Amino acid sequence: DTEVTQTPKHLVMGMTNKKSLKCEQHMGHRAMYWYKQKAKKPPELMFVYSYEKLSINESVPSRFSPECPNSSLLNLHLHALQPEDSALYLCASSQPDRDNQPQHFGDGTRLSIL
Amino acid sequence: SQQGEEDPQALSIQEGENATMNCSYKTSINNLQWYRQNSGRGLVHLILIRSNEREKHSGRLRVTLDTSKKSSSLLITASRAADTASYFCVAFNDYKLSFGAGTTVTVRA
Repeated sequence: DTEVTQTPKHLVMGMTNKKSLKCEQHMGHRAMYWYKQKAKKPPELMFVYSYEKLSINESVPSRFSPECPNSSLLNLHLHALQPEDSALYLCASSQPDRDNQPQHFGDGTRLSIL
Repeated sequence: SQQGEEDPQALSIQEGENATMNCSYKTSINNLQWYRQNSGRGLVHLILIRSNEREKHSGRLRVTLDTSKKSSSLLITASRAADTASYFCVAFNDYKLSFGAGTTVTVRA
């Protein structure tokens, strides 16, 4: 079991649908992250929230909209996605400490766009 | 963003043997981390080595860091079937992790 919980585990949606991915942690971490991972590739950073404020957006298309309602929750709102957006979406959390940054990952949401 | 290369891309060893994988990175770092990912799962943090450290041990893991060559190695001793996974070296700088391409390790029983 991981300490970062992601829901749902699997999601299939059409290109016109609107859906949200959710991530929750109760470790008191104040930095949270979204990554996208394609098959047999390393994770790619999408967004970083630090103290509930968006601090890094890696030029992600606007069809992905992150939200951090509080220090324990991180959402990723999806709208009008493309087939190439099918991937494993990973959430992670850590303390926003410059020198020591082990991140704790959830098991991800496997997203399929029809 | 992808930071650098890992070598080898894939490794197949017999249970009980040691596994060694190397990575190179491109920019300056605060620290270098290694993560493991089992198929279809999230990543698990294994070990962190700071930029002013040269070697670190944790159980069956040994990590080295050469900042002059911008390279690191991970040694897993006495491998087990449960070590079968993908291993990523990750450079940490400016609050961001940058992943290497990963090494897929298969441990045969």
